[in-house]
Amino acid sequence: EADIYQTPRYLVIGTGKKITLECSQTMGHDKMYWYQQDPGMELHLIHYSYGVNSTEKGDLSSESTVSRIRTEHFPLTLESARPSHTSQYLCASSPVEGRERTGELFFGEGSRLTVL
Amino acid sequence: AQTVTQSQPEMSVQEAETVTLSCTYDTSESDYYLFWYKQPPSRQMILVIRQEAYKQQNATENRFSVNFQKAAKSFSLKISDSQLGDAAMYFCAYRGSNYQLIWGAGTKLIIKP
Repeated sequence: EADIYQTPRYLVIGTGKKITLECSQTMGHDKMYWYQQDPGMELHLIHYSYGVNSTEKGDLSSESTVSRIRTEHFPLTLESARPSHTSQYLCASSPVEGRERTGELFFGEGSRLTVL
Repeated sequence: AQTVTQSQPEMSVQEAETVTLSCTYDTSESDYYLFWYKQPPSRQMILVIRQEAYKQQNATENRFSVNFQKAAKSFSLKISDSQLGDAAMYFCAYRGSNYQLIWGAGTKLIIKP
């Protein structure tokens, strides 16, 4: 099992609430990612980070924001949740690249968000 | 832009039998990586197998092997001796020069006991 943890696993909240999805990894990986996953659809990258104080937006536009103050921690925040934000959010990390590890992502179990 | 297509939303196989999951991709690059990831129900997604495009030899990992056809841009996953624990969503992914993964929509594999 990979050492990457997401909390909460399930969250049901009302529209307009602020939420933070937590993601922590104990593997010392510099690279971390947030993906959005909907049933029957491909994963879409919404944010990534290549290290402390580095954050970038992914290919899917998202109203969420992220921060990377510590190597092991990469939280995702929605300031005002809406029903369109209902989805599963997957956090992942990856080690320094070498030929043998290229592209290997380690995933958390996901946070399933429902906004009413 | 690169795309990855998994044309089988769902597949089923009898336990101990062999099943092949299909994946095609589109790219103009010559150097890239292809992956199969497995996502069991309510569990973490894990890497199953990786293929480097410059390698002609098909990758294998125990009961999992791929059929990589570079000219046809096809990358199928064969699972031999299927086991109940193989039941999961399987995602095909491509990684090119921009280092970001492009994902297929997934295939749900059902194992019949």
